[in-house]
Amino acid sequence: EIVLTQSPGTLSLSPGERATLSCRASQSVSSSYLAWYQQKPGQAPRLLIYGASSRATGIPDRFSGSGSGTDFTLTISRLEPEDFAVYYCQHYGTSPKWTFGQGTKVEIK
Amino acid sequence: QIQLQQSGPGLVKPSQTLSLTCAISGDSVSSNSATWHWIRQSPSRGLEWLGRTYYRSKWYNDYAVSVKSRMTINPDTSKNQFSLQLNSVTPEDTAVYYCTRGTVYANFDYWGQGALVTVSS
Repeated sequence: EIVLTQSPGTLSLSPGERATLSCRASQSVSSSYLAWYQQKPGQAPRLLIYGASSRATGIPDRFSGSGSGTDFTLTISRLEPEDFAVYYCQHYGTSPKWTFGQGTKVEIK
Repeated sequence: QIQLQQSGPGLVKPSQTLSLTCAISGDSVSSNSATWHWIRQSPSRGLEWLGRTYYRSKWYNDYAVSVKSRMTINPDTSKNQFSLQLNSVTPEDTAVYYCTRGTVYANFDYWGQGALVTVSS
């Protein structure tokens, strides 16, 4: 079973700053099946990035994804007030077929 | 515009069956490209994929090992919806349950609004 570990658990930043979130897989995974989501309180997750680096429809270009193998990164180039939320990485594999990281909370400093 | 609308009771007694329905608008449960999933979220287990149904000339289902013996997902083409049944629930099944649409890239692009289901006597 592939485990996705996200770090840090919480990131305290100010609007306008750059956010770098990490997702590490317990074994090498296909970047084609690595996605990132944003979740705000009381809402469902929202797809941001798929295929490790492709932005989903309507996602601003301040969000970018990169990585391969076991190490993946979500970068928010300049934080806007609406970007403070929890972010999850997700992978599709074998069993369990879909796994999620435990999340990184980006909070206002 | 694709929308998923969930419905179902918010309180279920231990040992009973949890039932939720997800009504689809803007797409078809019989789509030959989409897949239809249930995911739950709790503080103790985080986001947990539960299972899916999809149509590729015939219907397919598959389930997470953790719930496989207790779970059934059924498509309903007449109402363009799909449902979740989870049997023999315990308090550990207390969570927010989401229905989602799966894409060809094996991610989830549309989500229902979520339903908090509490298992308690």
